[in-house]
Amino acid sequence: AQSVTQLDSQVPVFEEAPVELRCNYSSSVSVYLFWYVQYPNQGLQLLLKYLSGSTLVKGINGFEAEFNKSQTSFHLRKPSVHISDTAEYFCAVTPSGTYKYIFGTGTRLKVLA
Amino acid sequence: DVKVTQSSRYLVKRTGEKVFLECVQDMDHENMFWYRQDPGLGLRLIYFSYDVKMKEKGDIPEGYSVSREKKERFSLILESASTNQTSMYLCASHSWGQGDSYEQYFGPGTRLTVT
Repeated sequence: AQSVTQLDSQVPVFEEAPVELRCNYSSSVSVYLFWYVQYPNQGLQLLLKYLSGSTLVKGINGFEAEFNKSQTSFHLRKPSVHISDTAEYFCAVTPSGTYKYIFGTGTRLKVLA
Repeated sequence: DVKVTQSSRYLVKRTGEKVFLECVQDMDHENMFWYRQDPGLGLRLIYFSYDVKMKEKGDIPEGYSVSREKKERFSLILESASTNQTSMYLCASHSWGQGDSYEQYFGPGTRLTVT
């Protein structure tokens, strides 16, 4: 079985500071990895994904993530956050070749002025 | 752009009522999903459909049923709504064949309150 852990439920950070949102997963088979963002009262929107190839993945809005197979991690980073990045962020994995997506419990990023 | 729409953004129903949540996608995706989202629990899969009239139970199917009569439409049914079904419901669609993207596309969600 697969699982996804987002240890930080809330992350406050000042505007223009860097941020890292942590995601660790557990799986006995190869997986594809995703980060989604949810703005207030909206559905989820894809930020970035890792399917194969380069372990550093760049997404929308200046976010990037690095896949680390040995540490089973897929942490999300942004070098300088804006107020508009305030949202909830979800890490998700899917075992390759299946329909099942496993989501983490989410990290609420609050950017402070 | 893929568009996934849900029939209501906010819904208030009474205990015991039968509730229908509708989801429509416009990209000819074969796979559609219903999740519920609760604080601290993330997204949990209720049901999944991989073709018209085909469905599979997810992790929390109890108290729910689904219907998929047309490829673009996937309905979630609460047979007899209970207060513990108060939640945000998210619909998503996905296709294996479209660039192998594996991405799920989400609707805006329906916030259901059962009183």
